[in-house]
Amino acid sequence: EPEVTQTPSHQVTQMGQEVILRCVPISNHLYFYWYRQILGQKVEFLVSFYNNEISEKSEIFDDQFSVERPDGSNFTLKIRSTKLEDSAMYFCASSPGHTGELFFGEGSRLTVL
Amino acid sequence: AQTVTQSQPEMSVQEAETVTLSCTYDTSESDYYLFWYKQPPSRQMILVIRQEAYKQQNATENRFSVNFQKAAKSFSLKISDSQLGDAAMYFCAYRSLFQGGSEKLVFGKGTKLTVNP
Repeated sequence: EPEVTQTPSHQVTQMGQEVILRCVPISNHLYFYWYRQILGQKVEFLVSFYNNEISEKSEIFDDQFSVERPDGSNFTLKIRSTKLEDSAMYFCASSPGHTGELFFGEGSRLTVL
Repeated sequence: AQTVTQSQPEMSVQEAETVTLSCTYDTSESDYYLFWYKQPPSRQMILVIRQEAYKQQNATENRFSVNFQKAAKSFSLKISDSQLGDAAMYFCAYRSLFQGGSEKLVFGKGTKLTVNP
């Protein structure tokens, strides 16, 4: 069964460093998402991506964040200069349409020291 | 903005028994989806069940069923004949069906379900 895959599963970085989290969505899906979950808190929407551009973003998704789909298969989230409060589990998801369920990856745990 | 509330941070159930997880939501939209996602310790969220708001009939998937009360904005999940593998974090989520509306999923805080043998 097709699934969303994410790498790395866990990354530890120093504050101020750049981090790139990678995702391979399900191949025939058209909508892509990043969510994050700070330990013990709810899953929060970061950004949605459709037709090679951001379609929606939350207030969390500031100038330190960017997304791209460089080669038609990978979908990446870049955090330019990490802060301590960026420590969280980051989930990638994809969807065939703009309605219906999202399919999630297993997440990438980011620890910022 | 839509909000989803899960008032039970933790629940427990005996194996083979039935448990109900609560979820309420707030929206001014009339067309939307509601979902229950399960997040086992392996971390990946998987869909358990979904309900389209325009459907009056409550969705069922094997041992999982929902009680959807649109007027009350309530969407509870019932798990029958609970199994050890049902132990997980359960998230209630909302997604707009409105053509010009947001396409994101809005999650509740989750309910941690423990299944006791």
